[in-house]
Formats: sequence, structure tokens, C-alpha cells
Amino acid sequence: DSGVTQTPKHLITATGQRVTLRCSPRSGDLSVYWYQQSLDQGLQFLIQYYNGEERAKGNILERFSAQQFPDLHSELNLSSLELGDSALYFCASRGTSREKLFFGSGTQLSVL
Amino acid sequence: TQLLEQSPQFLSIQEGENLTVYCNSSSVFSSLQWYRQEPGEGPVLLVTVVTGGEVKKLKRLTFQFGDARKDSSLHITAAQPGDTGLYLCAGSWDKIIFGKGTRLHILP
Repeated sequence: DSGVTQTPKHLITATGQRVTLRCSPRSGDLSVYWYQQSLDQGLQFLIQYYNGEERAKGNILERFSAQQFPDLHSELNLSSLELGDSALYFCASRGTSREKLFFGSGTQLSVL
Repeated sequence: TQLLEQSPQFLSIQEGENLTVYCNSSSVFSSLQWYRQEPGEGPVLLVTVVTGGEVKKLKRLTFQFGDARKDSSLHITAAQPGDTGLYLCAGSWDKIIFGKGTRLHILP
């Protein structure tokens, strides 16, 4: 158990809809990272937050947004969903080590 | 754009054989990590290498960081079915970027 909790584990929705994925980092970790994993693209970095503030941005679409709340949990919002958004979405948190990420078990999103 | 190329993409070998997988980039890493991911789970860190030329061993796994800190390799000795999984390398710059991984299958 990594200590990172992601909910829900599975999500099935339709094109055009909006969903929210939730992540609770390990106790005490201030950094949260979001990644999207698909078979053809691998693990793609979306966005990073540190103590409530956006720290780095990757290949995140404008239809996607995220935030980190004062209690350090984070949410990834995906809107106007398309078939191609179907993927595994991972959240990871990082403690004092600059490099080591602890990953949650992911949310499998299926857009039908 | 910072890219990490992993090779091979897929590898299927018999139990007991040795294997090496590679991670390459045109950029210099401040550090490089290897993760292993099993189906239905998130990646789990195996090792971090920081110094050019560094070699780290984790039981039957040997990790090497290139002298120029642009490439790395993972060597597995006497592979076992429990080694089956997706092996990912990740490089740290301002972000942590992952390669697409090597999907390893060890046949009993």
C-alpha cells in the first residue's frame, strides 16, 4: 500500500460529460502529480501541485483542470469528454525526496 | 522536448535467462529512476541513480547510469516469473517524465 488513495477506481461515462477524479496523498506529502496512462502514449505527465499551488504543467488539455485543496487532497476535472480520453489516470505524491513518487492505484476512465 | 526512449518495447523470455533493457535520452538527467508496474496497480519505485557511472544492485537486478547521465540500463539475472511486469524509467528535470516502458514477460 503506497498510502496514496484514488477514487473512484473505475468510471464509465459518455462523451460530452464531465467527471471529477479524487486523490488523497500520503500523510504529510505536499506535492501531488497527475499522470494519464494509455497503451500507445505511456505515462504522460499532466500537472503538479505543491502545497495548493500549481508547480508544473505537462500535456494537459484545456478541457482538463486540477486543484489542490488546503487539506492537500487534489481533484482532476475532465470535461467535454471524448472517446480518446479513455485511459488510466494516476495520482502520485512526493515527500522530502526530490525524485521518489508514490502512486495510487489509479482511476480507469472509460468514455463510451 | 525531453524524451525518454525505452527498448525493447516488449520482451518475452524463458525463466532462468538473463536480460537487459535500456532507457535513453538526448538530455542529461539530474537523476533517473526505475519503476515496476503490475496490472491494476500504480508504478512502484525500484531504484534511483544520481551519479554518472553509478551501479546499483537490488537482488538479481542491476541498474547502471551512463557516464554522461543520458542513459541507463536494467539487467536482470536468472529471470523469474515474478519479474513479469512493465518496467518504466523516469527522468527528473523540472518535471518527472516517464518513458513508455518495457513490457517484460517471463515464461515458466
